[in-house]
Amino acid sequence: DTEVTQTPKHLVMGMTNKKSLKCEQHMGHRAMYWYKQKAKKPPELMFVYSYEKLSINESVPSRFSPECPNSSLLNLHLHALQPEDSALYLCASSQYGSTDTQYFGPGTRLTVL
Amino acid sequence: GESVGLHLPTLSVQEGDNSIINCAYSNSASDYFIWYKQESGKGPQFIIDIRSNMDKRQGQRVTVLLNKTVKHLSLQIAATQPGDSAVYFCAGAFSGGYNKLIFGAGTRLAVHP
Repeated sequence: DTEVTQTPKHLVMGMTNKKSLKCEQHMGHRAMYWYKQKAKKPPELMFVYSYEKLSINESVPSRFSPECPNSSLLNLHLHALQPEDSALYLCASSQYGSTDTQYFGPGTRLTVL
Repeated sequence: GESVGLHLPTLSVQEGDNSIINCAYSNSASDYFIWYKQESGKGPQFIIDIRSNMDKRQGQRVTVLLNKTVKHLSLQIAATQPGDSAVYFCAGAFSGGYNKLIFGAGTRLAVHP
């Protein structure tokens, strides 16, 4: 089973809202990732968690706050987003690091009004 | 710097023909390359990967070739089918302490009956 699940599938929020994106995997992977993807562009790395600790933050604005409660779960907390943050947010996991196959979830389509 | 790029943004093929999607990379210290297929509204789906100690790897109807001399890799799809229509991304993982995958810009494959 190589499934990564993400909820919700779609999210519409205002600029003053607080919301969270959730990601889950049960493959025993120890690395988890958040990516942002704009239309017709490749995924852009935002955060990497390795063994439940944040190992990479690609200079992401603080209005995005990641959290890894345990080895199977990854959250992305959103607060005071801007319309330009509207995108597909993808979660991925790999066994240990980036030189292991990263498996992606279906993504959350976020629209910020 | 690190970069992974594709030669063509769009590739149109007839059903049943073979498809070749090309990708170039700049960092000779790369360890690992991977091809993803992304259909509209979905997350990237793993197709095939290859490590830098290999020149060729085959899967079901797909072959990845790696030429380290000219820093080039390609994805060959045999007997292309309408279901192969998607955007294809190559990605590379580079050594040097970075735990991340660098994506190319993507090639849209359109299969015509």
